[in-house]
Formats: sequence, structure tokens, C-alpha cells
Amino acid sequence: GEDVEQSLFLSVREGDSSVINCTYTDSSSTYLYWYKQEPGAGLQLLTYIFSNMDMKQDQRLTVLLNKKDKHLSLRIADTQTGDSAIYFCAESIDQGGKLIFGQGTELSVKP
Amino acid sequence: NAGVTQTPKFQVLKTGQSMTLQCAQDMNHEYMSWYRQDPGMGLRLIHYSVGAGITDQGEVPNGYNVSRSTTEDFPLRLLSAAPSQTSVYFCASSRRQGSGEAFFGQGTRLTVV
Repeated sequence: GEDVEQSLFLSVREGDSSVINCTYTDSSSTYLYWYKQEPGAGLQLLTYIFSNMDMKQDQRLTVLLNKKDKHLSLRIADTQTGDSAIYFCAESIDQGGKLIFGQGTELSVKP
Repeated sequence: NAGVTQTPKFQVLKTGQSMTLQCAQDMNHEYMSWYRQDPGMGLRLIHYSVGAGITDQGEVPNGYNVSRSTTEDFPLRLLSAAPSQTSVYFCASSRRQGSGEAFFGQGTRLTVV
């Protein structure tokens, strides 16, 4: 079945770059997403990439997609303490509102 | 623009009690979904709906019922609560077309004792 895997924790220093990685299994995914969850809040979409792209840049965020290896990454440049949150990778498997989520990566940014 | 609204935000139930978690969206989205979030497991899909009158099961549907009588509302019913249903529940909605971006409610933290 469909599966999305992420490492659970990442710790970086303020000002460094953060790279959060994700692997997925469904090669028919149309879109892949990165969501951010701050403590006690719902999920907010950070960015997404269409499956026929290999890179997308949006200000401090860079998404890289390697379809051959089914690997997705999110790079946050100049990481700030306000970036501390849980980041979820997700894939859309049938364009029907069904998202398969990874376990979430808790990013801790130390001053 | 309210987006996706969930009520209540917090709830404590006794084992065997029933309750309904409410979800409403004002964006005229076709798709609505319910997820539960448990530590280290990400979000798992409970039930989803592709439009009014249509619902289907997700990954973990047992113990939950849904209905979609209107485009706006998608309530989740727990018929007989169990401690294993202690979790944070999120409702989401999305459009049929485009990127499929899902908009999430703020969540309902449910504890079953």
C-alpha cells in the first residue's frame, strides 16, 4: 500500500539551513506537499510540487523531487526560531482529497 | 473568511459514550476528510467525502461514522467511545480541481477515560 516515511527529529542552529527528507511509495502521486504544524494548531500548507517537476523554489523554501528514487526534500534557508514546528510530507494519491502523510519531522531551531 | 471550523476544541468522554465532532467549511470545497493524529504516526485518514451524499472509508474507519448531507458540513460520529480513540482529530477540505491543497481546521483534542 501507500507509505510515506520521514525521520522524526531534526535540530539546527539559527541561521543554518535545514533539510527535511521524505520517501514515498506511490509512483502515481500527482502532487506532493509540505505542511507545517505549530504547537496546538492545525496544519498549514507550506508548499507543493507537481510530480512532473524536479525543483520548486519559494523564498527561503526549496523543494527537490527525485521521482526515480521516490524522494522528496524540503530545504529551509537561514532557519529562524520561528521555523520550529513539525513538518509533514504528504502525497495525493487519487486527486480525490485523500492525502497520505508521513509521521512528521520535528524541527528544533536553537539560537 | 472562516475556512474550516471544528467544534469542540477539547472533549473528555467516558468509555462507551457517543458524541459527534462537528466540521464546517465555507469555501464550497467538494472534498472533505477526517484525520486522527497520534504521536509518531502522523495523520491517518478516517473517512472522506468527494461531495454531498458520498462518503468512503479511509485507513482507520472502525468505530467512526460520517455523513455528508450538505457541501458545508461533515460531522464525525463516535458511536461507543474507547480509550484507543484518544487522539487529536482534524477535519480538512479541498477543491476538486487544481493542486488539491487541503485546508485544515484547528483540531479537536479528545480524551476517552
